[in-house]
Amino acid sequence: DAKTTQPNSMESNEEEPVHLPCNHSTISGTDYIHWYRQLPSQGPEYVIHGLTSNVNNRMASLAIAEDRKSSTLILHRATLRDAAVYYCILDTGKLIFGQGTTLQVKP
Amino acid sequence: EADIYQTPRYLVIGTGKKITLECSQTMGHDKMYWYQQDPGMELHLIHYSYGVNSTEKGDLSSESTVSRIRTEHFPLTLESARPSHTSQYLCASSIPQGGEKLFFGSGTQLSVL
Repeated sequence: DAKTTQPNSMESNEEEPVHLPCNHSTISGTDYIHWYRQLPSQGPEYVIHGLTSNVNNRMASLAIAEDRKSSTLILHRATLRDAAVYYCILDTGKLIFGQGTTLQVKP
Repeated sequence: EADIYQTPRYLVIGTGKKITLECSQTMGHDKMYWYQQDPGMELHLIHYSYGVNSTEKGDLSSESTVSRIRTEHFPLTLESARPSHTSQYLCASSIPQGGEKLFFGSGTQLSVL
């Protein structure tokens, strides 16, 4: 299964932008890149996904490298409610979650 | 938004009991999934289904079984629960939307004594 690599944890200050990196060097041409987040005591929720082009939605932006071997989830202004575990996943037909990045947001 | 329901939310049972965790969705999604997650750990895919009468094992071996007789229903069964089965079980369904977009239920926290 295609694997992603993310930092275990990151910290951010409230109201500042956050860039969450993800490496996926074994990605193949048809694999979509998905991001989900999991708040404490809840199931994961969809954040954003993309294939080749950068994507924006109301929650975040997704920047995808030209070679598609890495991507970055961008939260434009972090809030305390954004503190969660963020998962970067390759959609190979099955969505396999890795360890994710635990984001702490400081007031 | 998606409507996917899991019951019970919490379950405490004794060793050896047979249990069924319920998962239902009202969106008509074909694909459904079961994930298992221990506290502070990653989610592990244990079962998935492409549609009615389709069931597949996931990446983590599990003693549980699943069935998919109706599109909206994807129950998970443990024939004889053991303490090692204590975990959170998360059900999800998905729609093809440039890849599969997953919608998760709130989970069932299972404790086997």
